[in-house]
Amino acid sequence: EAGVTQFPSHSVIEKGQTVTLRCDPISGHDNLYWYRRVMGKEIKFLLHFVKESKQDESGMPNNRFLAERTGGTYSTLKVQPAELEDSGVYFCASSQGPASGAIAKNIQYFGAGTRLSVL
Amino acid sequence: QKEVEQDPGPLSVPEGAIVSLNCTYSNSAFQYFMWYRQYSRKGPELLMYTYSSGNKEDGRFTAQVDKSSKYISLFIRDSQPSDSATYLCAMSRGYNNNDMRFGAGTRLTVKP
Repeated sequence: EAGVTQFPSHSVIEKGQTVTLRCDPISGHDNLYWYRRVMGKEIKFLLHFVKESKQDESGMPNNRFLAERTGGTYSTLKVQPAELEDSGVYFCASSQGPASGAIAKNIQYFGAGTRLSVL
Repeated sequence: QKEVEQDPGPLSVPEGAIVSLNCTYSNSAFQYFMWYRQYSRKGPELLMYTYSSGNKEDGRFTAQVDKSSKYISLFIRDSQPSDSATYLCAMSRGYNNNDMRFGAGTRLTVKP
């Protein structure tokens, strides 16, 4: 079974440009999460999809970030226009859940991340 | 004050040593506690998952949770060079883990 896949693995762009990150979750996983890790800091939550619906986007930094999950399959995270402080590693995770008492269904599986460098 | 505090290290130990990794937290509502292992250029991989206070053992790994002290630990016995990675603690309030909070991660190196 394929894991969570993220594209690209690394992106280098200039300030003011647009970048789109893609995440393919594990097949059958309804929950999809985006996280970001800025250098030296902890992984922070950005938003959560249940199927195609945004369940929680409280972690999105500002309106330069736009996430979509059309059809409830893969998701994209667009940053437009990118700023220097957007640099970091963007992780996507998916889980099958929710299911009370079924730990396995609530485990989040992470992709390898996209390393974004804004110059 | 951060919700989850974790010493980033780095921590270097000889092969065969017992490793102790720790996190403290401030939100008493956390009930589900996890340890993730992250190898370089890879995503975090779940290592241990515990609910509420107590101990859980899996092979060379033991996770401990002390909710009264808001303190969690991961012990690695007979450490191996392959254990060299960054270890992240994470915790959530609900079983669905929709509100996970992470520590900054501790970088561990086990030297042969």
